[in-house]
Amino acid sequence: DAGVTQSPTHLIKTRGQQVTLRCSPKSGHDTVSWYQQALGQGPQFIFQYYEEEERQRGNFPDRFSGHQFPNYSSELNVNALLLGDSALYLCASSGPRQGYEQYFGPGTRLTVT
Amino acid sequence: AQKVTQAQTEISVVEKEDVTLDCVYETRDTTYYLFWYKQPPSGELVFLIRRNSFDEQNEISGRYSWNFQKSTSSFNFTITASQVVDSAVYFCALSRSLGAGSYQLTFGKGTKLSVIP
Repeated sequence: DAGVTQSPTHLIKTRGQQVTLRCSPKSGHDTVSWYQQALGQGPQFIFQYYEEEERQRGNFPDRFSGHQFPNYSSELNVNALLLGDSALYLCASSGPRQGYEQYFGPGTRLTVT
Repeated sequence: AQKVTQAQTEISVVEKEDVTLDCVYETRDTTYYLFWYKQPPSGELVFLIRRNSFDEQNEISGRYSWNFQKSTSSFNFTITASQVVDSAVYFCALSRSLGAGSYQLTFGKGTKLSVIP
């Protein structure tokens, strides 16, 4: 049973560019949450997707957007990248069969130069 | 607003010593979950425990134990007889319900534990 997978593992972008990060949830999970973890900080909630809709958003600007596909996989898009967007982006999936326990993927390390 | 405070930024202990990681939280919710996660250098968050706000019983799992005290809004984590493999950053987290069983997590800033051989 595959866990949560994320791609790419690492990414280097230039300020002002756009980036798309991808997440495949654990089998049987229908909900995907995204978190941003800056260096030396705890993860911060960006948003959660369920049934292809954004269910809840944290305190992040509209430059951060997402999408969930019918197979429950999800994308996180960030436009007009800033240096401060450099972080580890974590995806967590959850589902009713496992009490909505959030299982985290390995993350995507984004560096903005 | 929800808040999780982990006052200890870094802790160093010698192998086989016991160590306690502190966590204090703030919430207005009456029902919530508290969590501890371990983050090794690889970066992936490893789930350790989830506690329901209505269950204040202490829990022990091998060398790990957790002390939940609602009266002081604390959820402390103790590692007994620490080992080098315990070296990692540990995060305490608090849930906020989003309905239909789902929730979002608020994390503390983490405590970096170094176990010296």
